[in-house]
Amino acid sequence: GQQLNQSPQSMFIQEGEDVSMNCTSSSIFNTWLWYKQDPGEGPVLLIALYKAGELTSNGRLTAQFGITRKDSFLNISASIPSDVGIYFCAGQLIQGAQKLVFGQGTRLTINP
Amino acid sequence: DAGITQSPRHKVTETGTPVTLRCHQTENHRYMYWYRQDPGHGLRLIHYSYGVKDTDKGEVSDGYSVSRSKTEDFLLTLESATSSQTSVYFCAISESNSPLHFGNGTRLTVT
Repeated sequence: GQQLNQSPQSMFIQEGEDVSMNCTSSSIFNTWLWYKQDPGEGPVLLIALYKAGELTSNGRLTAQFGITRKDSFLNISASIPSDVGIYFCAGQLIQGAQKLVFGQGTRLTINP
Repeated sequence: DAGITQSPRHKVTETGTPVTLRCHQTENHRYMYWYRQDPGHGLRLIHYSYGVKDTDKGEVSDGYSVSRSKTEDFLLTLESATSSQTSVYFCAISESNSPLHFGNGTRLTVT
């Protein structure tokens, strides 16, 4: 089935560093979403992007909807220990029901 | 967790037994979804519902059935569990054209 290519699969950084991850697809999406998952919990929505070229921030997080509608990136600035977790991108193909396609996730580890 | 309760949170069952997972929402959202999460695969859609008694298949629906008799409840049934269905199952809800919000998952182990 459909899959998004999310990279990198894992990152090991120092506290205070900036982080960048991205997702690409062979399909065009109407919406890109970024979620974060902590151990033992469900994914939590970070940022939603609805228009090609859109750049949206949520605190230290910034995400962009690629102009081709086939990619998106997420940046985290000045990382802190609570940023640790797994980050997922997701794309939506159709209107109405959110039949999302998810990337495989980026596992972020931060050394204090 | 946006008013979503999944039960049970953990279950161990034997191959061949039926299993039902429950998702309950208090948000009155129209859409409900069941995903499974496995290492290397991210989250994959099993089934979803767009209203009471209205359901449709997702990407990995084989071996699963669902029912939605009330707006607030969405049940996922494994008629005869197999080891390949060992996974973490997530329920999600949404309104039309709005992002999904997820529950905290059910960890199912089939021995």
